[in-house]
Amino acid sequence: DVQLVESGGGLVQPGGSLRLSCAASGFIFSDYYMDWVRQAPGKGLEWIGRSKNKANSYTTEYAASVKGRFSISRHESNNSVYLQMTSLRTEDTAVYYCARVDDYGEFFDYWGRGNLVTVSS
Amino acid sequence: EIVLTQSPGTVSLSTGERATLSCRASQRVSGNYLAWYQQKPGQAPGLLIYETSIRATGIPDRFSGSGSGTDFTLIISRLEPEDFAVYYCQQYASLPLTFGGGTTVEVK
Repeated sequence: DVQLVESGGGLVQPGGSLRLSCAASGFIFSDYYMDWVRQAPGKGLEWIGRSKNKANSYTTEYAASVKGRFSISRHESNNSVYLQMTSLRTEDTAVYYCARVDDYGEFFDYWGRGNLVTVSS
Repeated sequence: EIVLTQSPGTVSLSTGERATLSCRASQRVSGNYLAWYQQKPGQAPGLLIYETSIRATGIPDRFSGSGSGTDFTLIISRLEPEDFAVYYCQQYASLPLTFGGGTTVEVK
């Protein structure tokens, strides 16, 4: 079974940094794009970035709202994708999901359970 | 960026009734690359439909999607108790991927 398990969330002060991890299992990790999507409390979903698959050299893409502050990387050896967040703002407070991009089209066929990041002083 | 607007924001219905949810795009969604997700409180979203009308694995046939261009619809033909949730549309025709603001289907 496909599983995505996030970790690393918590409370951080404005201007601080945090790294989220997403451990994947149940599929050939290197074959798939892996994205991050967030959801502010009581709000909708926002795509924030992606790591493409090995065939596309693990190239990354980012939403404008996080470009230059967030970076995505992945380690094939432990089937994990990471979201490094820097210069955090209060508006970055959200549940962060990692999600697998389906190989038929760029929609999300599997999601992690989510990890809450709270940016507050 | 393609902006998706969902309507209504909330709809109040009873079990057995039909729900019609709308998703309108600010520009044409090429390939009809539009997906729908269901989200229940405290849970991650789950894929319902992709490419406008293709049901994901295991999704019952009371869920159907239609549309093209800029106007898309999700219909739940007969609401079951487990269908009361928030529904999001998402376009994947171009980056950035974008979601609609969601429609809440609540118990009347």
